[in-house]
Amino acid sequence: AQSVAQPEDQVNVAEGNPLTVKCTYSVSGNPYLFWYVQYPNRGLQFLLKYITGDNLVKGSYGFEAEFNKSQTSFHLKKPSALVSDSALYFCAVRDEGRGKLIFGQGTTLQVKP
Amino acid sequence: DTGVSQDPRHKITKRGQNVTFRCDPISEHNRLYWYRQTLGQGPEFLTYFQNEAQLEKSRLLSDRFSAERPKGSFSTLEIQRTEQGDSAMYLCASSFGLPTGELFFGEGSRLTVL
Repeated sequence: AQSVAQPEDQVNVAEGNPLTVKCTYSVSGNPYLFWYVQYPNRGLQFLLKYITGDNLVKGSYGFEAEFNKSQTSFHLKKPSALVSDSALYFCAVRDEGRGKLIFGQGTTLQVKP
Repeated sequence: DTGVSQDPRHKITKRGQNVTFRCDPISEHNRLYWYRQTLGQGPEFLTYFQNEAQLEKSRLLSDRFSAERPKGSFSTLEIQRTEQGDSAMYLCASSFGLPTGELFFGEGSRLTVL
């Protein structure tokens, strides 16, 4: 069965500092991994995805994520956080042979000036 | 804007009533998904369609829930005999018919059951 874990309910960083939002997954086949962001009272917005190839993928708004197969992780990163990055972030996984996308519980990112 | 649209955006109903939500996906997309999200939680998968075929339905989904996509375009999600526990945001998303494709989400339909 597919599953996703986001071990931190909230991450606090100061503006200008690097940020990391953690995600681990479990699938039976090869994973397709995604990150989404949700602002208050809005739908989910796609940030980036890993399908195959380079373990470091780059996405929207300066975000990137590192795929680590041995640790079954797909952590979201940004070199320099902005106050406007404050939002709810979701990691999601799809098993290679399946259609449904399974989401984690989400991590609230708070960036303070 | 030709994104995913959902209607109504807000619905307040009394326990025991039936409600129906509509989703219009991005026109080129042949996959359509329904999710449920409660406050502070991640989206919970309900069901998805490829064209008009319903390919998977969550085993956690009550028989009171039914979804259709009759012509492979828009979809409806009906909840019969609503309960207070059904109060949530119902999200619709669409994608191209590839397993590598990302989902594009609508703004959601918020249901409040009194």
